Amino acid sequence: EVELLESGGGLVQPGGSLRLSCAASGFTFNNCAMTWVRQAPGKGLEWVSAIVGSGTRTYYTDSVKGRFTISRDTSKNTLFLQMNSLRVDDTAVYFCAKDVLCSSSWHGGIDSWGQGTLVTVSS
Amino acid sequence: VMTQTPFSLSVTPGQPASISCKSSQSLLQSDGKTFLHWYLQKPGQSPQLLIYEVSNRFSGVPDRFSGSGSGTDFTLQISRVEAEDVGVYYCGQSINLLTFGGGTKVEIK
Repeated sequence: EVELLESGGGLVQPGGSLRLSCAASGFTFNNCAMTWVRQAPGKGLEWVSAIVGSGTRTYYTDSVKGRFTISRDTSKNTLFLQMNSLRVDDTAVYFCAKDVLCSSSWHGGIDSWGQGTLVTVSS
Repeated sequence: VMTQTPFSLSVTPGQPASISCKSSQSLLQSDGKTFLHWYLQKPGQSPQLLIYEVSNRFSGVPDRFSGSGSGTDFTLQISRVEAEDVGVYYCGQSINLLTFGGGTKVEIK
């Protein structure tokens, strides 16, 4: 059974940093592209970033480019999201998610989601 | 841009329901695959995959859910709505990065 367990969320001041982690199990981690999706309170889903299984290609939504960095450690089956220069509008629950069709590329369909970790950016 | 309609839907149990999703660009890739997917977020839960690539029902998804469409226009149909189907439905495209529709809230009458 696929399990994705996010951690690292919390309260941070504007301009601060956080590092989110997602511990993955139940599938061959280095075969699958992974994605971060966020959901602001009471709002819809917003894609943030993705990384292919090898880690050699990464993708970002425009609003986080240059501030967020996605990475993965295949030896630890863990996905990361380093978030710098945080802004109030980054406040959201951040979900870690797995591609539905695992291959060398990023499919973008998501078949498994973590429970999410809340990031609150406020002074 | 992904545009979902209606914004909300109130359905009598046992009746059908339909949600539309329109994309501002074609979601058809040169290999013939179309990268349009459907998700359901039940109250208080993480989203779950219903349909991927327009019409492929994900493992464990009841066959009352079906997807159709092509190019830029897509539809999710629920043949007979049940109480457990309440929540917000999202379409998502992944041919050009990843974008979700605004969501359609389904409630039971």
